[in-house]
Amino acid sequence: DAKTTQPNSMESNEEEPVHLPCNHSTISGTDYIHWYRQLPSQGPEYVIHGLTSNVNNRMASLAIAEDRKSSTLILHRATLRDAAVYYCILRDVGGNTGKLIFGQGTTLQVKP
Amino acid sequence: KAGVTQTPRYLIKTRGQQVTLSCSPISGHRSVSWYQQTPGQGLQFLFEYFSETQRNKGNFPGRFSGRQFSNSRSEMNVSTLELGDSALYLCASSLGSGNTGELFFGEGSRLTVL
Repeated sequence: DAKTTQPNSMESNEEEPVHLPCNHSTISGTDYIHWYRQLPSQGPEYVIHGLTSNVNNRMASLAIAEDRKSSTLILHRATLRDAAVYYCILRDVGGNTGKLIFGQGTTLQVKP
Repeated sequence: KAGVTQTPRYLIKTRGQQVTLSCSPISGHRSVSWYQQTPGQGLQFLFEYFSETQRNKGNFPGRFSGRQFSNSRSEMNVSTLELGDSALYLCASSLGSGNTGELFFGEGSRLTVL
């Protein structure tokens, strides 16, 4: 499975945008980029995913580099509830299974 | 709709005992996956069941096993417990087929082995 690299931790101020980077230089053409987050004392929750084009949903935006070797999860206005560990995961388009390979993720701290 | 339900939420066992954890997926979901989360190793995939068949397996010893019933509910079992098995065990359900691949996780079962 292709690997992803994320910073261990990041800080943000409440109500400011947050850009969480992820490097995936060995990504293959059939890998989707998925993001999950895990709030304290909860299981992970899906945030967003994309293949080539930038994606938006009610939770966040995903910006994917043209060469697909990196991506950025964008939280437009961070709230205290967004403090969590964010995981960037590569998933083969044909692998619609329940197997995800989690890295260490980025711990996001949001300051009031 | 109801989310993924895991029972029990907390349990304490001693070395050498065995434990069974249960997971009820979201209605209509046919895939159930199990993960182990520890501070040292993070989130690690254990195995996945789809339509009562094991579809994927992670790198865990044979002491870890699971099964899925016809109603998609799943159980995982750990025999001969070791101290290192202390962890949060998470279950995730998904449709398991089709274009959407989103996994829905439960809140987990926290196992402490003494």
